[in-house]
Amino acid sequence: GESVGLHLPTLSVQEGDNSIINCAYSNSASDYFIWYKQESGKGPQFIIDIRSNMDKRQGQRVTVLLNKTVKHLSLQIAATQPGDSAVYFCAEKMEYSGAGSYQLTFGKGTKLSVIP
Amino acid sequence: KAGVTQTPRYLIKTRGQQVTLSCSPISGHRSVSWYQQTPGQGLQFLFEYFSETQRNKGNFPGRFSGRQFSNSRSEMNVSTLELGDSALYLCASSLGAGGSYNEQFFGPGTRLTVL
Repeated sequence: GESVGLHLPTLSVQEGDNSIINCAYSNSASDYFIWYKQESGKGPQFIIDIRSNMDKRQGQRVTVLLNKTVKHLSLQIAATQPGDSAVYFCAEKMEYSGAGSYQLTFGKGTKLSVIP
Repeated sequence: KAGVTQTPRYLIKTRGQQVTLSCSPISGHRSVSWYQQTPGQGLQFLFEYFSETQRNKGNFPGRFSGRQFSNSRSEMNVSTLELGDSALYLCASSLGAGGSYNEQFFGPGTRLTVL
């Protein structure tokens, strides 16, 4: 498969352990924060999002935490599985009033490797 | 249901040339967004088309342009290629416009290499 990043931070976790992936964002006016998963040779896949007025949101095996004070976002994956091995990156979306216009900015990503 | 398809999957061009990439969205999807992904800059939003109109645009020079046809298929064109344009170009489709990321599906990308 193709490499999406040659110099990405890497997180290695044992199968069954919990994973925490962090992201620092830049725009305090962003309305939404999003996490994506990208497997080798594939396009990104939406995982979970959180509105700026929330601190925490849970999905299936995933939890996103938002700390607006320090502009920090984290993705927690419970009971990490080999199929979770991928590059994970965050994005922030700021919506402008009218006409559905917006600005979408992505983080560089973290490579998660799950050790069987 | 077929996913998002992009053609070609791989492309090699030389500096100064121009290139056209194609994206066919999921049937029924009317929005197509384009992204550039490089190791250095990561994923960057290029533009979004909906109903044949460009709805949103990222911060890229005018050498990058696109269009959408009545069947929602979209093309992206890069003129006067530079070495820095080497990247994976991804397109994503969704039913609605406005960056509906939670219902957006990505294609596998076109790997462009500029020599």
